[in-house]
Amino acid sequence: DAGITQSPRHKVTETGTPVTLRCHQTENHRYMYWYRQDPGHGLRLIHYSYGVKDTDKGEVSDGYSVSRSKTEDFLLTLESATSSQTSVYFCAISVGTRQNTQYFGPGTRLTVL
Amino acid sequence: QQQVKQSPQSLIVQKGGISIINCAYENTAFDYFPWYQQFPGKGPALLIAIRPDVSEKKEGRFTISFNKSAKQFSLHIMDSQPGDSATYFCAASHSGTYKYIFGTGTRLKVLA
Repeated sequence: DAGITQSPRHKVTETGTPVTLRCHQTENHRYMYWYRQDPGHGLRLIHYSYGVKDTDKGEVSDGYSVSRSKTEDFLLTLESATSSQTSVYFCAISVGTRQNTQYFGPGTRLTVL
Repeated sequence: QQQVKQSPQSLIVQKGGISIINCAYENTAFDYFPWYQQFPGKGPALLIAIRPDVSEKKEGRFTISFNKSAKQFSLHIMDSQPGDSATYFCAASHSGTYKYIFGTGTRLKVLA
């Protein structure tokens, strides 16, 4: 599991409420990623980080924000959750000399009612 | 140009048979092509990966075949087992971007 934990593992929330998902790694990897997984869409990149306080958008970033105040933690925030954000969210880290190999966390299943 | 097209969506194979999953890409800058295996309720796990300087890579029963001119790559699972039943994702990456583009996944079921 490359030392990646995600919390919470499951969450049910109401439309319009803020939600924060946490990704924690233990091995000081520079690159971290947030994906969402939906049937028929595979894994789609939401945001990624290439260092403390350095983040950038992925292909489906609308409605999401991220923060990385220390190397080991990468937070994903839904400011006002919508039903379309019901999904499974995966965090990943990137390792290797060319930063090419990604390893994934166990996922967070989020349901927005 | 950034898409990776994966087929088939689902696949049913008899035990001992060969499972073949195909992916195609457009962006010739991609230089790393991993395959991931995902079991229900788990995160994707790296299975095998290839770079475009080789046409084939084999690890146990799993083989990636890579056709640079056709911009296609495929995963072959030899002697498929019920324990191989999972969802498989191909991906492509350009080393300068540190980002993956994933295919949409193939759900494989191996019948006992």
